[in-house]
Amino acid sequence: GQQVMQIPQYQHVQEGEDFTTYCNSSTTLSNIQWYKQRPGGHPVFLIQLVKSGEVKKQKRLTFQFGEAKKNSSLHITATQTTDVGTYFCAGRGNSGNTPLVFGKGTRLSVIA
Amino acid sequence: KAGVTQTPRYLIKTRGQQVTLSCSPISGHRSVSWYQQTPGQGLQFLFEYFSETQRNKGNFPGRFSGRQFSNSRSEMNVSTLELGDSALYLCASSLWVGQGGEQYFGPGTRLTVT
Repeated sequence: GQQVMQIPQYQHVQEGEDFTTYCNSSTTLSNIQWYKQRPGGHPVFLIQLVKSGEVKKQKRLTFQFGEAKKNSSLHITATQTTDVGTYFCAGRGNSGNTPLVFGKGTRLSVIA
Repeated sequence: KAGVTQTPRYLIKTRGQQVTLSCSPISGHRSVSWYQQTPGQGLQFLFEYFSETQRNKGNFPGRFSGRQFSNSRSEMNVSTLELGDSALYLCASSLWVGQGGEQYFGPGTRLTVT
């Protein structure tokens, strides 16, 4: 079945440094979504990418969807302590009735 | 608009027992999905329901079952609990199922099996 791999598993950065997490699917995706889960909280939707090569920005966050629609990345510029949490990518396959498959997430720690 | 609610929030059960977890989606949302979250395993997909029909099922044993009611509320049941079933069970609702459709997660039910 469809698998979504996410790296790195953990990332520790100094406040102000940049951070990137990468997501790769074993199959072509119809879309990819990104979620953030704060410690002790539940996942919260950040964004959805649909088009091949799509790039979207949310303030310091930049999301990309690969040309082949099999990979994606989330880049955070100048991290802040409020960015702490686990970032998950989630994708659906192209066939009509496939579930949303989550990567295992990247846990980001920001050292002030 | 009220968010996704899950009850109970915490549950302690012993091996061999069964448990039923409940999820009320956001008003107007007809799709409900269930996930199991354990440290290091991320969110593992359990079920997806839309209009009372199970649309997808994850790779879990038959001890895990679910259903959705006509008001879109959903329940999941785990029978013959095992220690490995200890996890955070998350429910998520969305307007529709399939392509697109961001998911709104509830706070989860923390299940501990002793």
